[in-house]
Amino acid sequence: AQSVTQLDSHVSVSEGTPVLLRCNYSSSYSPSLFWYVQHPNKGLQLLLKYTSAATLVKGINGFEAEFKKSETSFHLTKPSAHMSDAAEYFCVVSEGTGGFKTIFGAGTRLFVKA
Amino acid sequence: NAGVTQTPKFQVLKTGQSMTLQCAQDMNHEYMSWYRQDPGMGLRLIHYSVGAGITDQGEVPNGYNVSRSTTEDFPLRLLSAAPSQTSVYFCASSRQDTYGYTFGSGTRLTVV
Repeated sequence: AQSVTQLDSHVSVSEGTPVLLRCNYSSSYSPSLFWYVQHPNKGLQLLLKYTSAATLVKGINGFEAEFKKSETSFHLTKPSAHMSDAAEYFCVVSEGTGGFKTIFGAGTRLFVKA
Repeated sequence: NAGVTQTPKFQVLKTGQSMTLQCAQDMNHEYMSWYRQDPGMGLRLIHYSVGAGITDQGEVPNGYNVSRSTTEDFPLRLLSAAPSQTSVYFCASSRQDTYGYTFGSGTRLTVV
C-alpha cells in the first residue's frame, strides 16, 4: 500500500532565505507525485507534479522538487522565500494502477518572517 | 473556463437538517472527489467517483451520500447534519488519478 509522510508539520524561514519542505513516500509501483499549496481560506492549487519524466521538476512561483527514488523522497525547495509563500503545502502520491489511488500528506505549514 | 465550482460558499445548518453541497466541473474530467478539511487533520476523503454512474466510499463516508448521474456534477448530501460535520468541504476533479486534481474554492459548513 502506498503512503506519504511530510516530515515537518511547521517550517519557519526568514524572507529571502531558502525553503525546504520534506516529503517521503512509499509505493509498490512507479508513482506520480505532486505538491499542492493552500493559502489561508483558499482552495488547493497544484504547484508541480512528477510523472516519471525528468527527476527535477519545476513548478509555479519559483518552487521545484527533486524525485529521488533511492531515498523515496520528493522534497520541495525554493531558493529565496517571499512573504507571499506563507501557506500550507501538501505532498501527494498517486500509484496510477487504476481506480482512485491518491493519498494526501498531512501538510506542512510554512511561516515566512520579515 | 470556470474549472470546479462549489456552492454555497458558506452554510449554517441546524442539527438534524439535511442539505446538498453542489460541485460542478466543465473540464470533462472523469475523476471527482469530496474531501473535508479540519484543523490539524489534513484532508480526509469522503467519497469519490471514477466516472458517471460510479461512486465509492473514502476514509470518512458516514453521514454523507453522493451520486454521479452526469460527468459534470457530483453533489454531496448530508442526510442529518451533526455538529461533528462542521468543516470545510472541498470538491476536486481530474482527467485521471495521476494527472493532478483541480480543486474548488470550498464550502464552509457550520452545524449548530
